[in-house]
Amino acid sequence: NAGVTQTPKFRVLKTGQSMTLLCAQDMNHEYMYWYRQDPGMGLRLIHYSVGEGTTAKGEVPDGYNVSRLKKQNFLLGLESAAPSQTSVYFCASNLGLAGTDTQYFGPGTRLTVL
Amino acid sequence: SQKIEQNSEALNIQEGKTATLTCNYTNYSPAYLQWYRQDPGRGPVFLLLIRENEKEKRKERLKVTFDTTLKQSLFHITASQPADSATYLCALFYNQGGKLIFGQGTELSVKP
Repeated sequence: NAGVTQTPKFRVLKTGQSMTLLCAQDMNHEYMYWYRQDPGMGLRLIHYSVGEGTTAKGEVPDGYNVSRLKKQNFLLGLESAAPSQTSVYFCASNLGLAGTDTQYFGPGTRLTVL
Repeated sequence: SQKIEQNSEALNIQEGKTATLTCNYTNYSPAYLQWYRQDPGRGPVFLLLIRENEKEKRKERLKVTFDTTLKQSLFHITASQPADSATYLCALFYNQGGKLIFGQGTELSVKP
């Protein structure tokens, strides 16, 4: 099992550019999450999905969109990148509801917006 | 809204000693409390989960306590080793919200 994988690992964007971050899991998990991690702020939830075809907003959803067309994939999109979106992005997945069992994290994507 | 406080200052200890990390929260007690380890440049890795009706949980050299009166969880690593050096995150789960809320983490450094 590869677990949770994220593509790409690093990316530099200019303000206003768009991009999509891909998260894939091979554990047949229903629940998937996107977090951002900034120094001194901890992990903050952006969007999440409780199953294929569903998405919901987390704590900091503005400026991001997501899609879960296939159970194993969860995409995070930035339509018009801003310097405030410079961060490390982590994808995670759970078999059951987050908090009630192990949450598995990907290796992260380091995004810099100039 | 819920707030989680972990020691913002790094914890430096000598190899062989017990490391104790603190996680304090405000308002309501969570249904579950989790601890994760994060190494530089990597994603968090799950360590332990404790339920609100449990006082203590152990796993090898790790021990977690959960005091709903003090609104605090303590995370202990006994016989610490340099390989235990990492950032440790606590995370709270509330049935009402249905999502994990993470603390900012505490960096632990174990010196040989």
